Amino acid sequence: GQQVMQIPQYQHVQEGEDFTTYCNSSTTLSNIQWYKQRPGGHPVFLIQLVKSGEVKKQKRLTFQFGEAKKNSSLHITATQTTDVGTYFCAGPSGGGADGLTFGKGTHLIIQP
Amino acid sequence: NAGVTQTPKFQVLKTGQSMTLQCAQDMNHEYMSWYRQDPGMGLRLIHYSVGAGITDQGEVPNGYNVSRSTTEDFPLRLLSAAPSQTSVYFCASSYSTGVIFNEQFFGPGTRLTVL
Repeated sequence: GQQVMQIPQYQHVQEGEDFTTYCNSSTTLSNIQWYKQRPGGHPVFLIQLVKSGEVKKQKRLTFQFGEAKKNSSLHITATQTTDVGTYFCAGPSGGGADGLTFGKGTHLIIQP
Repeated sequence: NAGVTQTPKFQVLKTGQSMTLQCAQDMNHEYMSWYRQDPGMGLRLIHYSVGAGITDQGEVPNGYNVSRSTTEDFPLRLLSAAPSQTSVYFCASSYSTGVIFNEQFFGPGTRLTVL
């Protein structure tokens, strides 16, 4: 079935440095979503990408969907302590299952 | 709107006990789902429903039952709890079904420990 791999698992950065997490799928995705989960909290939707090569920005966050629609990335410019958390990508499960398959997430740790 | 609510927030069970995790949403979403989250494993889909009266299995359905008698409610039942079911359980809902999913709204979670 659908597999979504996400790297790195952990990322330590100094406040003000940039951060990038990558998501790769074993199959072509019709769309991909990104979520953020603060420590002790629940996942919160950030964005959805649908088109091949799509790039979307939300303030310091830049999301990209690959041309082949099998990979995606989230880049944060000049991290702040409020960016701490785990970032997940998710794509349709496929194979007859109607749901989302989540990557294992990237934990962003920021040192002031 | 309360969004997606889950009860209880915390629960401790003994092996073999059964219980029901409650989930409700007030957004009139057709699609609802249950995930479990374990350290290093991300979120894994347990069961989902595309509408009242319709449920289906996700990636890790064994040991769990669901029903969807109303649009608002989607309870998750643990039939005979096992230590392997110790996890954080999230309910989510969305107003879309099919290949293109829209934003999933997650509840606050239930933290379950099975001794």
